[in-house]
Amino acid sequence: NAGVTQTPKFQVLKTGQSMTLQCAQDMNHEYMSWYRQDPGMGLRLIHYSVGAGITDQGEVPNGYNVSRSTTEDFPLRLLSAAPSQTSVYFCASNRDRVNTEAFFGQGTRLTVV
Amino acid sequence: AQTVTQSQPEMSVQEAETVTLSCTYDTSESDYYLFWYKQPPSRQMILVIRQEAYKQQNATENRFSVNFQKAAKSFSLKISDSQLGDAAMYFCAYRTLQGAQKLVFGQGTRLTINP
Repeated sequence: NAGVTQTPKFQVLKTGQSMTLQCAQDMNHEYMSWYRQDPGMGLRLIHYSVGAGITDQGEVPNGYNVSRSTTEDFPLRLLSAAPSQTSVYFCASNRDRVNTEAFFGQGTRLTVV
Repeated sequence: AQTVTQSQPEMSVQEAETVTLSCTYDTSESDYYLFWYKQPPSRQMILVIRQEAYKQQNATENRFSVNFQKAAKSFSLKISDSQLGDAAMYFCAYRTLQGAQKLVFGQGTRLTINP
């Protein structure tokens, strides 16, 4: 039972480079979301999805794109990385609107130099 | 918009003692969920305990319990018989029941256990 799997676990990017953080869940969950964690600020919501083909912005969406072509996958794209995007990124999923427990991936530590 | 505040950036406690972590939140909603998450050095987010706002009874999970004061918008976590494995960052979080379920997190409290 893999749960929520994020890849990679660590990444260093140069300013202006692009990359995709991968997130996959094998629990057939409807809801998926991306958070970033910065020191002293807790986790903040970037984007979320309530089902395949449906995405919406969270609290800090600028600089990030998402898509949800399948129930299982919810990748997060950085089109032109900036030092301000240095953070730890978490993907999470929920079974549905009623079920409240969120399952988190192990996180990706991203450094932009 | 909902906000969650954890006013204690760091706490420490002696092993086997009891410690309470504070959390306050702001919302105009009457139905919602509150959570405490533990984040050890491994970075994994682990659900410790959850509370439904419509339930007056405080949630309990083994050595972990909450003091939920809905009118005061307060949601503290009590850890009894503290163990070395309890050392971690603890996050308080709020989930609305309106629209898509989104978590709003507090800033976190780093808990140190002294042997």
